[in-house]
Amino acid sequence: DIQMTQSPSSLSASVGDRVTITCRASQSVNNNLNWYQQRPGKAPKLLIYTASSLQSGVPSRFSGSGSGTDFTLTISSLQPEDFASYYCQQTYSIPFTFGPGTKVEIK
Amino acid sequence: EVQLVESGGGLVQPGGSLRLSCATSGFTFSNYWMSWVRQAPGKGLEWVAHIREDGSEKYYVDSVKGRLTISRDNAKNSLYLQMNSLRAEDTAVYYCARVGRWPYYYAMDVWGQGTTVTVSS
Repeated sequence: DIQMTQSPSSLSASVGDRVTITCRASQSVNNNLNWYQQRPGKAPKLLIYTASSLQSGVPSRFSGSGSGTDFTLTISSLQPEDFASYYCQQTYSIPFTFGPGTKVEIK
Repeated sequence: EVQLVESGGGLVQPGGSLRLSCATSGFTFSNYWMSWVRQAPGKGLEWVAHIREDGSEKYYVDSVKGRLTISRDNAKNSLYLQMNSLRAEDTAVYYCARVGRWPYYYAMDVWGQGTTVTVSS
């Protein structure tokens, strides 16, 4: 199975900050890497698919990059509604494993 | 509006069975792969299984093989998860999710609100 790691596991940031979350795969997943946002008590929401494609309706302050084993999710200017947990997921090979998540909290 | 609505969760004893359902609307169900994803209390997301548009292919995470079975009824626009021989570690919120078509490459683009399964004596 492909193992996914994320860093940091949590971070504190202020509204307006630029935030970067890193995801690493234990082997290459090409660009088959997705990012989801999950607010407390809510279902996950797709933000980015195939590493860098922005899901319809998602604000442009979210962006993704990377390929192979190393990927990044960037929020260019953090907004109050962005305080949530973020998960990466590889869909290169079954099982489609998720990273452990990064919790973004208010500073 | 695209909607996925799960049901069937509840409290069950270890070794027991449960059947989850996911009713869908607002899209052509038979054109999409579908998935189940779960989240144990206070933990991260775990992909459980997914099924091809016509039900001819099914894939599972190793920890549920032989115990959980994914199925679908395209005439009823519904997805199911039959859960047998349940264990405490199956306790989780179970989400139904639509698998996006090209170019999503198996990303899950629509999610239900989840249904809670608790395995305890």
